Amino acid sequence: EDQVTQSPEALRLQEGESSSLNCSYTVSGLRGLFWYRQDPGKGPEFLFTLYSAGEEKEKERLKATLTKKESFLHITAPKPEDSATYLCAVQASGSARQLTFGSGTQLTVLP
Amino acid sequence: GAVVSQHPSRVICKSGTSVKIECRSLDFQATTMFWYRQFPKQSLMLMATSNEGSKATYEQGVEKDKFLINHASLTLSTLTVTSAHPEDSSFYICSARELDRGDSPLHFGNGTRLTVT
Repeated sequence: EDQVTQSPEALRLQEGESSSLNCSYTVSGLRGLFWYRQDPGKGPEFLFTLYSAGEEKEKERLKATLTKKESFLHITAPKPEDSATYLCAVQASGSARQLTFGSGTQLTVLP
Repeated sequence: GAVVSQHPSRVICKSGTSVKIECRSLDFQATTMFWYRQFPKQSLMLMATSNEGSKATYEQGVEKDKFLINHASLTLSTLTVTSAHPEDSSFYICSARELDRGDSPLHFGNGTRLTVT
């Protein structure tokens, strides 16, 4: 059974204080790992897809990396508007296009 | 980018009534759409996979007679919560991928907050 574990559950940072969110996964053949941002009362917003170990993607203050067992979402010099819940999901090979989601990391960036 | 529209965003209904939620892909076609449910501070749980022109596939533990799914066209899927009860109160979110891109990211609607009184 595919599993995704995210840590920490919640993270409070001061504005400008860089940090990383972790996503550990077990899957029978990774087809893709996805990062989403979710604001309260909204649906998840797509951020990145990573397909193979060693791959990295960047978008503004966010950088996602991938190994064979985990992915990190690095946040550099965060701003209050980066506050949200960040979700990680995996898609296994042959999974009929379904995703397995982690429980998310709730990030709060204080001004 | 791909846009998924969901309606309504909020609905309050009385116990025993039915509620229909619509999910539309606005700028792409989707043979498959996915319906998720999310409880407060929990992750998304897949309820069912909606297939255009055929029956939906339900996840284990999801009652297909209670959560009716219809995928009548390549841009519209509906979820009807029948005979709703307070325990059905939740945040329902639909999602879809662009056609024929099996490993492309899911794009989500903005969700429907259902409250059953």
